[in-house]
Amino acid sequence: DGGITQSPKYLFRKEGQNVTLSCEQNLNHDAMYWYRQDPGQGLRLIYYSQIVNDFQKGDIAEGYSVSREKKESFPLTVTSAQKNPTAFYLCASSLQGSMNTEAFFGQGTRLTVV
Amino acid sequence: AQSVTQLDSQVPVFEEAPVELRCNYSSSVSVYLFWYVQYPNQGLQLLLKYLSGSTLVKGINGFEAEFNKSQTSFHLRKPSVHISDTAEYFCAVSDRGSSNTGKLIFGQGTTLQVKP
Repeated sequence: DGGITQSPKYLFRKEGQNVTLSCEQNLNHDAMYWYRQDPGQGLRLIYYSQIVNDFQKGDIAEGYSVSREKKESFPLTVTSAQKNPTAFYLCASSLQGSMNTEAFFGQGTRLTVV
Repeated sequence: AQSVTQLDSQVPVFEEAPVELRCNYSSSVSVYLFWYVQYPNQGLQLLLKYLSGSTLVKGINGFEAEFNKSQTSFHLRKPSVHISDTAEYFCAVSDRGSSNTGKLIFGQGTTLQVKP
């Protein structure tokens, strides 16, 4: 089955540590996205990538980093510079250059700072 | 910049009653419009989308939405809800601009609480 896989489902981080969230898709989509979800705030865009080896900052990129070395993979690193990293993180992908801009989402990773 | 406003943060409703979840967006330029549903601790699932054509869009699970360009609205409706419809619902817009990044701008979400 085609889809998006995020891992792990739950992640705990100590203060001052970097952590990396995994996102893999087998939909052959060019574009991939990372969103952060906080209660009452909807989803906010962290980073997005429209093509391999290229990515752009979203609305809340500070304290995060990404890479896009393969079409299928778009890992997100939450660095120690992110002051409030506890949140639910969602990865998504979509076709590019098409009228159909529907995004497909993974099941999310819940990150908690302990 | 685009923005999306979901006018109700919570909507309680009894089972088998009709429901409307309201969504307004800010831009007057051509947009794509979406409604997604999220069950607890899960990702988002597409309910329906408006790209062009008929302003009444039908989606999964008996939901439908109407695009109103003059009012910049895209309200979601269901004539009779079930307990299983209890979830959070997100309205989203994508700019049809030339960059075509596919970025979505989301509303804050509306929690639909269906009571027996």
